[in-house]
Amino acid sequence: QKEVEQDPGPLSVPEGAIVSLNCTYSNSAFQYFMWYRQYSRKGPELLMYTYSSGNKEDGRFTAQVDKSSKYISLFIRDSQPSDSATYLCAMSARGLTGGGNKLTFGTGTQLKVEL
Amino acid sequence: EPEVTQTPSHQVTQMGQEVILRCVPISNHLYFYWYRQILGQKVEFLVSFYNNEISEKSEIFDDQFSVERPDGSNFTLKIRSTKLEDSAMYFCASSENRNTEAFFGQGTRLTVV
Repeated sequence: QKEVEQDPGPLSVPEGAIVSLNCTYSNSAFQYFMWYRQYSRKGPELLMYTYSSGNKEDGRFTAQVDKSSKYISLFIRDSQPSDSATYLCAMSARGLTGGGNKLTFGTGTQLKVEL
Repeated sequence: EPEVTQTPSHQVTQMGQEVILRCVPISNHLYFYWYRQILGQKVEFLVSFYNNEISEKSEIFDDQFSVERPDGSNFTLKIRSTKLEDSAMYFCASSENRNTEAFFGQGTRLTVV
């Protein structure tokens, strides 16, 4: 079983739709959960960051973590064409390395929001 | 807004040659990382660096790789003898401390021919 699994898509939605992106993980040591957005041939850009179960909202974006199920989600409300990108989930385990927060990424979900 | 900068944006090198990829992390950050992304694949951790030494490295980071912080601002990744399979996008990242978010640079696309 892969440490982090993410449906690669592609996912195509109409403008204004609610988008749900998901990742599952197998390593119970993961305590920090992130969503990155990556445009083509660019570096990942952090969207959301959380370390607790529950929901965290930031504008049109909501991150949801369920540690008991080892499942995280990113919801995008009122999706816009500018949201078209690849969305990467990433996770890290606190204190595992003794220094630094090695991130383990999912494969990314490619999202296209159509006019 | 402070950002991680990487140079060059694209490097083409012949197999067997040495390459050095350069990064300038965000100035008050203390932890530095290199990741790579082979075309079409996931972003993979290579190495983390703190207090002038490697904190953790992956199995990918073998003896042909090395990292250095030669001065107070630069952070470099050296690949001693490049192979075709080293062709990838290499991302530098930095974080303020061990448990805060990592900010990524724009990447250096390395093409080994």
